[in-house]
Amino acid sequence: DQQVKQNSPSLSVQEGRISILNCDYTNSMFDYFLWYKKYPAEGPTFLISISSIKDKNEDGRFTVFLNKSAKHLSLHIVPSQPGDSAVYFCAASDRSGAGSYQLTFGKGTKLSVIP
Amino acid sequence: GAVVSQHPSRVICKSGTSVKIECRSLDFQATTMFWYRQFPKKSLMLMATSNEGSKATYEQGVEKDKFLINHASLTLSTLTVTSAHPEDSSFYICSANRGLGFPDTQYFGPGTRLTVL
Repeated sequence: DQQVKQNSPSLSVQEGRISILNCDYTNSMFDYFLWYKKYPAEGPTFLISISSIKDKNEDGRFTVFLNKSAKHLSLHIVPSQPGDSAVYFCAASDRSGAGSYQLTFGKGTKLSVIP
Repeated sequence: GAVVSQHPSRVICKSGTSVKIECRSLDFQATTMFWYRQFPKKSLMLMATSNEGSKATYEQGVEKDKFLINHASLTLSTLTVTSAHPEDSSFYICSANRGLGFPDTQYFGPGTRLTVL
């Protein structure tokens, strides 16, 4: 029973174009969402996050959009660069729960940016 | 930025031996650290939550006697894989919560590749 779903295992985009990575969730208690980037044999790197009180958060080339009614979020990368090629994980947290702020991860989407 | 280190980065051991993996937060204090395991082409699977000064909380299906966790200080958590077997071979990653203002943002270590022969 996956609470965070990334339905596209892979995505290829031309350099300079926009990359859109999608994520859906089923748990309505999730109220904080994060995107991580991961290279092979390395730990994930935090990219950007968004609270459920917002619908958009922007940081440089990265923008995350949240549609609570659809339980959907997306990460936009503009313009895409070859160095962006990596696996991107969507993660969610229920901050109303007690204690430890566990994250629930999706399976990841492998982004390939073609020069 | 927040930095988390892991040691060792790679370890190869014989079946039946124990292996200790260290996770350190280098520039912040972490009351909570997490241990994950990643199988090839799979997501990060949370194994346990490590709280400084108290017992770790294990996820369902994770053997607490096999995967011993000690959170000795606000900057160090260790995972010991006891009596390792080939099926324990995996990529183990730790993370730490940055703390006040960023309760949910976890910063990850670079991971440890464990190979059990």
